Amino acid sequence: AQSVTQPDIHITVSEGASLELRCNYSYGATPYLFWYVQSPGQGLQLLLKYFSGDTLVQGIKGFEAEFKRSQSSFNLRKPSVHWSDAAEYFCAVSAGGGADGLTFGKGTHLIIQP
Amino acid sequence: DAMVIQNPRYQVTQFGKPVTLSCSQTLNHNVMYWYQQKSSQAPKLLFHYYDKDFNNEADTPDNFQSRRPNTSFCFLDIRSPGLGDAAMYLCATSGPGAGTEAFFGQGTRLTVV
Repeated sequence: AQSVTQPDIHITVSEGASLELRCNYSYGATPYLFWYVQSPGQGLQLLLKYFSGDTLVQGIKGFEAEFKRSQSSFNLRKPSVHWSDAAEYFCAVSAGGGADGLTFGKGTHLIIQP
Repeated sequence: DAMVIQNPRYQVTQFGKPVTLSCSQTLNHNVMYWYQQKSSQAPKLLFHYYDKDFNNEADTPDNFQSRRPNTSFCFLDIRSPGLGDAAMYLCATSGPGAGTEAFFGQGTRLTVV
């Protein structure tokens, strides 16, 4: 079975600084990888996804993520964060096939300092 | 132009009193999911429908049931809610292809008193 680890429960970043959120996955084959963002009391919004091809994927809101097979990682990055980026970020994996559902990591809570 | 709509957004129910949460979609997606998200935790898949085929996760309690009367609607029934069932319940939909994106509703926050 697949699993996802997000080692950082909380991260605090100053506004305008760069951001990297870590995600490691466990799956026997090439996984389908996703990053979702959740604002308080809201549902999840997809930031970006990786299925195959170019290992650096671009998403919405200026986010990008890099798939590194050798490290089983899919870290999320943003060069300059804005106060509105404060939220919970979830990395997720799917074994493939739309009906499989997603296995989520425990999330990273991002705090933006003025 | 909401695509996955959950009603109500907030639901308070009494301990042991059956409750139903609803989800509708305008995307005409084959697959509909229900996730449970407890406070400060990751969403956990309860079950999903692929068209009319129901797929239950192995560790989903029997207290949780679901119905999908048509493509657009899906319901989550909690037969006898306990205090431990208080959570955000998220509905999501996706197409049938490999690794397709899941679209989430805004969730229903269930409180059990």
